[in-house]
Amino acid sequence: DQQVKQNSPSLSVQEGRISILNCDYTNSMFDYFLWYKKYPAEGPTFLISISSIKDKNEDGRFTVFLNKSAKHLSLHIVPSQPGDSAVYFCAAQRNYQTGANNLFFGTGTRLTVIP
Amino acid sequence: ETGVTQSPTHLIKTRGQQVTLRCSSQSGHNTVSWYQQALGQGPQFIFQYYREEENGRGNFPPRFSGLQFPNYSSELNVNALELDDSALYLCASSLMSGQGDNEQFFGPGTRLTVL
Repeated sequence: DQQVKQNSPSLSVQEGRISILNCDYTNSMFDYFLWYKKYPAEGPTFLISISSIKDKNEDGRFTVFLNKSAKHLSLHIVPSQPGDSAVYFCAAQRNYQTGANNLFFGTGTRLTVIP
Repeated sequence: ETGVTQSPTHLIKTRGQQVTLRCSSQSGHNTVSWYQQALGQGPQFIFQYYREEENGRGNFPPRFSGLQFPNYSSELNVNALELDDSALYLCASSLMSGQGDNEQFFGPGTRLTVL
């Protein structure tokens, strides 16, 4: 049961243009969302996050938008750079007053930024 | 600040054998989570240890077991290895403070191949 879905396995974008990566989730108990970036032979690296009480969070070239009613979030990268080429994972976390604060991951989107 | 480290980097085992993977958490962190990432998939939560106790478990059979030590390092043990256990095993550490969201920091992973 895949509770976090990334329906685009890959995305190619020209350098300098905007990259938009999408993510959908099904569990309404998720209240914190994260994007991780992964290079080959490395573990996922935290990129940006957003709490369910917000609809937008910005950090430099990276902005995450959250639409709770649609259970959808997106990551915008502007401008895209060749070094952004990696696999991007969307992840979600439940409010963990008790129990684990584990992450539920999507299947990833491979972003290729073409110079 | 020392990041999350994992050993070994790569491992080849045969079906039916047992394996132990190791993880050193980031300095100051008290929680370790283990994830399995199969080829083309996102990381899947195996279990989490908090203060040396299992704090939550994903949908993995009992032959997947773990330990957390007083210095917060951790082991993942897998008995009776099956071909489908071939995957990248990721360890993530975090500081669980009960304040809500907690970013998890990942190690580079151990690539396990079962023949």
